[in-house]
Formats: sequence, C-alpha cells, structure tokens
Amino acid sequence: AQRVTQPEKLLSVFKGAPVELKCNYSYSGSPELFWYVQYSRQRLQLLLRHISRESIKGFTADLNKGETSFHLKKPFAQEEDSAMYYCALSEGSTLGRLYFGRGTQLTVWP
Amino acid sequence: DAEITQSPRHKITETGRQVTLACHQTWNHNNMFWYRQDLGHGLRLIHYSYGVQDTNKGEVSDGYSVSRSNTEDLPLTLESAASSQTSVYFCASSEASGTSGYNEQFFGPGTRLTVL
Repeated sequence: AQRVTQPEKLLSVFKGAPVELKCNYSYSGSPELFWYVQYSRQRLQLLLRHISRESIKGFTADLNKGETSFHLKKPFAQEEDSAMYYCALSEGSTLGRLYFGRGTQLTVWP
Repeated sequence: DAEITQSPRHKITETGRQVTLACHQTWNHNNMFWYRQDLGHGLRLIHYSYGVQDTNKGEVSDGYSVSRSNTEDLPLTLESAASSQTSVYFCASSEASGTSGYNEQFFGPGTRLTVL
C-alpha cells in the first residue's frame, strides 16, 4: 500500500501567489516526514523535515496527525521554486529507509 | 569534502547485457540505497543496505542485484538489461543514527541508463 500520497503530479502558479503542495501519509505509528526537492539538472536534496519545525527558502510544512498530512506551503512563490518536490516518510526507526511519494512538479510562471 | 558519486553518468546498452552502476560515498555512512526515477512513478526503491554484507530488496527489485563488501560502495547490477529498465538511477546514503529523527538521505547525481 502506498504510504505517501501526493495527489498532484503537476502544479502551476504565478510568481507571488501562494503555493501548497499536498502530501498525505498512511502510517499508524509516529512517522517522521520530509520534503525533498530536485531542481532542474541537480540531485535531490532535503528541503525540510517536520521535527525541525523550520522554514527553508520560505517554505514551511506542518505535520497534522489528525489528517495524516504534511503539506508544503509558501506564501509567495518565486520562479526559482520551480522544481520537483517529493514528500517522504520514515517509520521512525533508526534504520533509515524512506518511503517517497510520486512527486509534484511545481512550475512558477513569471 | 565528503560526497557521494555515481558512475557512469550516462550509459547506453543493449537488451540482455549485464550492466553495473557504481555508487561510492565518503561519508562512512552505514545506510545505502538505490532508487529509480520514472515519470509518473516518482522514486522507487530497488535495493538497500544497512551495512557491510547486508542487502535488502525494495519495491522494484526484480532484475537487479546489489552487494556490499565495504562501507563505501554499493554497486547495482542489472543481470540482463531490459528496455523496461531504461530510467534514471539514484544512489543515496544516510547515517545510522542512535536516535530516530535523523534519517536524511544524501543523493548522488544520478545515472541515466538507456536500454535499446
């Protein structure tokens, strides 16, 4: 069963508009959630993790255990935010396997 | 600086041939992973290893094998390449932390494999 669902394959917004990339997960324990980003022709890199509760490049994500969601948000999108975004889940063990969603390709138009 | 590298970066091969993709990391990470990235499927885990001599199957392991003889390397072998294995392959590594909450994976640059 898919542990991480990203319902939108493609998402387009205009520069300056708010953006929200959706992520829902399925796991009965205490998960650790991550957002990874892949800019064009670059390797995947960690954007943020829920336990850090930090804002990176203006993005934030809140873990909502009641709705089993970990949506990524930014109030004012920039063109350089255009990239592929992956939500990922760890089952909280120390072993390190991550379950990735299918990704959302974000395009920010000028 | 510590890093993770993959070679080759691009490979074209023929159906039926054996192909090995290399992955090398200098972080001394215990955990190493191989993924394939395909349009519409995102990242799918092929095989992974939690240490020397340890290997595990991921969700799309058929037709692939790995071996872990040292900490730094996890080569991925396609026993008999098929056109369905045309993809971009990513290697990643992470530290085996004594506490949870630190499972960040560091990714290599990827290998683009084409099977004709």
